[in-house]
Amino acid sequence: GAGVSQSPSNKVTEKGKDVELRCDPISGHTALYWYRQRLGQGLEFLIYFQGNSAPDKSGLPSDRFSAERTGESVSTLTIQRTQQEDSAVYLCASSTRTQHTEAFFGQGTRLTVV
Amino acid sequence: KQEVTQIPAALSVPEGENLVLNCSFTDSAIYNLQWFRQDPGKGLTSLLLIQSSQREQTSGRLNASLDKSSGRSTLYIAASQPGDSATYLCAPSRGNQFYFGTGTSLTVIP
Repeated sequence: GAGVSQSPSNKVTEKGKDVELRCDPISGHTALYWYRQRLGQGLEFLIYFQGNSAPDKSGLPSDRFSAERTGESVSTLTIQRTQQEDSAVYLCASSTRTQHTEAFFGQGTRLTVV
Repeated sequence: KQEVTQIPAALSVPEGENLVLNCSFTDSAIYNLQWFRQDPGKGLTSLLLIQSSQREQTSGRLNASLDKSSGRSTLYIAASQPGDSATYLCAPSRGNQFYFGTGTSLTVIP
């Protein structure tokens, strides 16, 4: 596609529910990143994929968070038993390879847990 | 852990001024550094990428420099326009991630 696409753009969920956030990277990009941005704060790294493997999950804040990637394309970030502190904008980025290439971000999913 | 600081946190200038945004980072062993802009409620738009072996990159009215050994980068914006109003983020990369500070919020007054 033309750019990184994320869906939904907005999600309101009740505390305790599970949510799935989707990221469609730019076609052919093998590297994929998830970040979280809380209100007024900087971006926090969550997880990095190279192809369908996730060699770096060091930023996932708890075992309620998980992510997968299939077909070296779409990635899904799942948050189980959501808490109010999970409210944030979740951003996905992709790049052609990894550390040396330009990363492109999607528009993000704004998650609000009520 | 890589710490990124951007100064100033906020900047307001009249249209037409040239300006400089500063970025410093604590770990100089980076692969590259990317500058982004973020508009309110939006994602990040890539502006410039500087490889660790490079000293600067230019795109239109934007020029970014990198002094890796001292852990500094600057973004120079020439002849600022109201459409340049946004938050500007620098992001050095190391390992498997980019590291972000909280950015510089720029307002260009018509």
